[in-house]
Parts: sequence; C-alpha cells; structure tokens
Amino acid sequence: DAEITQSPRHKITETGRQVTLACHQTWNHNNMFWYRQDLGHGLRLIHYSYGVQDTNKGEVSDGYSVSRSNTEDLPLTLESAASSQTSVYFCASSESGFGQGGTEAFFGQGTRLTVV
Amino acid sequence: RKEVEQDPGPFNVPEGATVAFNCTYSNSASQSFFWYRQDCRKEPKLLMSVYSSGNEDGRFTAQLNRASQYISLLIRDSKLSDSATYLCVVGKAAGNKLTFGGGTRVLVKP
Repeated sequence: DAEITQSPRHKITETGRQVTLACHQTWNHNNMFWYRQDLGHGLRLIHYSYGVQDTNKGEVSDGYSVSRSNTEDLPLTLESAASSQTSVYFCASSESGFGQGGTEAFFGQGTRLTVV
Repeated sequence: RKEVEQDPGPFNVPEGATVAFNCTYSNSASQSFFWYRQDCRKEPKLLMSVYSSGNEDGRFTAQLNRASQYISLLIRDSKLSDSATYLCVVGKAAGNKLTFGGGTRVLVKP
C-alpha cells in the first residue's frame, strides 16, 4: 500500500544545532506539505511544494527550509534549532490542490521534536 | 481573529446520544471544506469532505453554509470510538492552502 512516512518519530536536540526531519511518500503525489502543531494554534503550514525543484513558504517558515529533489521526499531542515521550535511536525501529501472539489491530504505519523 | 475557529470543547457525550458542533471561517474565497479526525498524538485523517448541498456518511452529517460562513458536523448514535478531536479544515486554490481550525474535542462516555 502507498504510504507517507516520517523519521525520526521522536528527537531531542540542543539549541543551535541543525536538524533535518525526513518525509517520504510513495503515492507519487506532486503536492507535499510540512505543518507544525502546537497547543492553542492547531496545525500551521511551514513550507509546501508543488513538485520537484519547487518550494514555497507557508505562514510560519522563519527558521525552516525544505528542498525537493525528487517526487517522493521533502526533508524539513531547522537551520539553528530554537526552543520555540519544540513541536509536533506533520508531513502531508495530496494528489491535487485544495480549490473547488479539493482532494484529501494524507498525513505522516508525525515527529515529536524537543529543543533543549 | 483566526481564519478558522472552533469551539475547543470538550463535548461530553453519553454513548448513543447525538452531538453537533460548528466551525466558522473568515475567508470568503475558501473553496473546499473538510472535517478531519485526530486521535490523541496521532496524525489527522480525513473524516469527510463537506459539499454545498450537505452530505452524510453513516452516522456523520456535514453541512456548509456559505452565506454565514460556517460548517457543521453532527454525529448520531455516538460510539465510544468517536472520542477524538475533530478538525475543521478549509482549503483554497490560491497558495494551494489548507487552513486548520484548532479542533473540537469530543468525549463519548458509557
């Protein structure tokens, strides 16, 4: 079965370190997304990609970067981890966009990141 | 003001009862509407899309009111397994963006 997987599932890192969270999907979806989820804020969009070599900033992109070198992967990098980036991170993919008749987004199981 | 707002609950519901809750959205350019379900510490999963005419999926009924800019979800004959957080999600083509509400927590009790 096609799926979307994230790794690691849990990570503790120190302030100032660079951290990369992996996301891999086997649906061959062009659209991929990274969200963070915090109490009181719901899910907020960090970055998204419409396809290979395409990346776009979401509403909370400061301190994060992504790259899309193939269809299957969208790694999320925290350039210099800060305590404010302690959160649960979800990767998602979708077959098409979210206009009229928009399609389902499939989510990975999440990565719980703690920055100490 | 948040773009998508939900009552956080919790809604404490006796098993077998009916529960309903709403979500309001502020962007009139929104084009697609969904309810996602999220279990504790798990990923969100699509419960149902919401169509203009309203739609039903088993015990779940969703309604969309574009004029008043709200979406509703009704759960009939609640089961213990319906205990979860229900996320209202609104999408639009511009920016290919999904905007999530903060979620409504539902607790079904025996």
